[in-house]
Amino acid sequence: AQSVTQPDIHITVSEGASLELRCNYSYGATPYLFWYVQSPGQGLQLLLKYFSGDTLVQGIKGFEAEFKRSQSSFNLRKPSVHWSDAAEYFCAVGPRSGYSTLTFGKGTMLLVSP
Amino acid sequence: DVKVTQSSRYLVKRTGEKVFLECVQDMDHENMFWYRQDPGLGLRLIYFSYDVKMKEKGDIPEGYSVSREKKERFSLILESASTNQTSMYLCASSSVGVPNTGELFFGEGSRLTVL
Repeated sequence: AQSVTQPDIHITVSEGASLELRCNYSYGATPYLFWYVQSPGQGLQLLLKYFSGDTLVQGIKGFEAEFKRSQSSFNLRKPSVHWSDAAEYFCAVGPRSGYSTLTFGKGTMLLVSP
Repeated sequence: DVKVTQSSRYLVKRTGEKVFLECVQDMDHENMFWYRQDPGLGLRLIYFSYDVKMKEKGDIPEGYSVSREKKERFSLILESASTNQTSMYLCASSSVGVPNTGELFFGEGSRLTVL
């Protein structure tokens, strides 16, 4: 069965520092890959997605993610974190064919310190 | 932009009450989903629907039912609310257009408290 692991429940980063959030997946074949962000009390917003081609994908708000097939990973990065980036981040995977149900990781809460 | 609207942002209900959570999307999406979100557990799929009057169970359907009478509307029903159904409920939709990317568009959530 497919699964998504986000090993860090909480991460604290100083404002201006770089960020990397980890995501590993278990899937039968290379899935579609997504990162979503959720601000407190809000729904989920898509940050970026990988379908094919260049394994480094750019998203909104200055985020990027790199797909590494050999490691079954899709880590999210940002070179310089802003206080407004404090939120919960979810990695998700979905099938390339068939029904469109995504499997989500349990999330990583990002705290930004001044 | 795709808009998914959940009619109630906050609800407080009593144990045993029947609860309706409504979701409407305005982008003619075929697929609609209900997730439940709890701290430490992430998002868990309750039910989804690929077409009007069609529904499929997700990972945690017990205690819930759904209704999709119109393409744009997907309702989650708690027949007899219990305290362990206190949670954040998220509705989402997606298209089956080409390419079928599976990207989900989410509403802002409905926070339900059952006393």
